Amino acid sequence: GAVVSQHPSWVICKSGTSVKIECRSLDFQATTMFWYRQFPKQSLMLMATSNEGSKATYEQGVEKDKFLINHASLTLSTLTVTSAHPEDSSFYICSARGSGGAYEQYFGPGTRLTVT
Amino acid sequence: QKEVEQDPGPLSVPEGAIVSLNCTYSNSAFQYFMWYRQYSRKGPELLMYTYSSGNKEDGRFTAQVDKSSKYISLFIRDSQPSDSATYLCAINPQGGSEKLVFGKGTKLTVNP
Repeated sequence: GAVVSQHPSWVICKSGTSVKIECRSLDFQATTMFWYRQFPKQSLMLMATSNEGSKATYEQGVEKDKFLINHASLTLSTLTVTSAHPEDSSFYICSARGSGGAYEQYFGPGTRLTVT
Repeated sequence: QKEVEQDPGPLSVPEGAIVSLNCTYSNSAFQYFMWYRQYSRKGPELLMYTYSSGNKEDGRFTAQVDKSSKYISLFIRDSQPSDSATYLCAINPQGGSEKLVFGKGTKLTVNP
């Protein structure tokens, strides 16, 4: 149980285009989903927290107009990187929390984004 | 001072060795402490969590929290090559918050 999927697993796009990443909780309802980014040899940095049906809460320094988050259902959240630039190239990971506490976050396998 | 500090290693040990992984944290109000394992190009997997000082065991893994020293540890007994991964400590800063703060991760290699 507690499986989280992400799609796509990797994507290459050209500078200036937009990319959408999906995060799904497959066998539980996720009231809250989190989006992280991870640079090589660095830790996970929380970008934003999203609750189903409401606006996402972004961490300081994360541009909400660039990283659009939608959490339209209890099993799906999407992250859209708009007008992507090479510096946006990173590993994006989502996690989903069910009815448990913060420690019950289950992570997706991640999406590797490369912007050329 | 960063909220969570973790030695990135890398750490290389022979198969069967006892591995000790450690993190320190800055705020004595932190309540929940977790250890995640992350294989290359994969998402983190929760190994253990604890919210009190003392030890918690799960098979070959033992999580230890010393709140007086603000120090957390993960011990792996009888380490196996399949344990080779990056281990991240994570802390939930405050009760009621869902935010997790991660350490940088320690890359572990267990050599057969």
